[in-house]
Amino acid sequence: ETGVTQSPTHLIKTRGQQVTLRCSSQSGHNTVSWYQQALGQGPQFIFQYYREEENGRGNFPPRFSGLQFPNYSSELNVNALELDDSALYLCASSYRDRVYGYTFGSGTRLTVV
Amino acid sequence: KQEVTQIPAALSVPEGENLVLNCSFTDSAIYNLQWFRQDPGKGLTSLLLIQSSQREQTSGRLNASLDKSSGRSTLYIAASQPGDSATYLCAGAVHTGNQFYFGTGTSLTVIP
Repeated sequence: ETGVTQSPTHLIKTRGQQVTLRCSSQSGHNTVSWYQQALGQGPQFIFQYYREEENGRGNFPPRFSGLQFPNYSSELNVNALELDDSALYLCASSYRDRVYGYTFGSGTRLTVV
Repeated sequence: KQEVTQIPAALSVPEGENLVLNCSFTDSAIYNLQWFRQDPGKGLTSLLLIQSSQREQTSGRLNASLDKSSGRSTLYIAASQPGDSATYLCAGAVHTGNQFYFGTGTSLTVIP
């Protein structure tokens, strides 16, 4: 089975720009969650998508938005980038009705300058 | 909200030593708890998942336990190796399908 893949691996953007990060979930998984990990910190929950709908959101402003597609892949969009948005963005997939836990991708390192 | 704390923040041990990493959480209504390994600049690799009905899980040299009444989980690593050097994160979920709350991790260095 394929794991979780994220693209791109690294990205440099200018403050005020918009960015889209992509995630393909593991085969058999129907739920995708996005996390932000600042340097030296644990990952912080951004939001989760299940059946193409947002299913829970952490303490992040509306300029963080997402999508889930029928094939369960997902996008994270961030508008009006700020310097503090520089972080490792992690995507995790899971099967909602089973407690098999998360499978994480390798992440996208976003640097905002 | 679930608060997760990991102690110690950093640990350095000689190769071959057995060690214990600690994780504590504030909400005893934990549904499952997962331990992850993270290498520098990389994503998270799942090590062990303990469901709420379980008390421990084992995989190779790793053993994780969960005590919901005391709000603690431990990760035991036997016969540590330099390749075990990484940051270890624990994460707890309160309800199935919901978010995981992460600790800030324990940075482990195993000295050859």
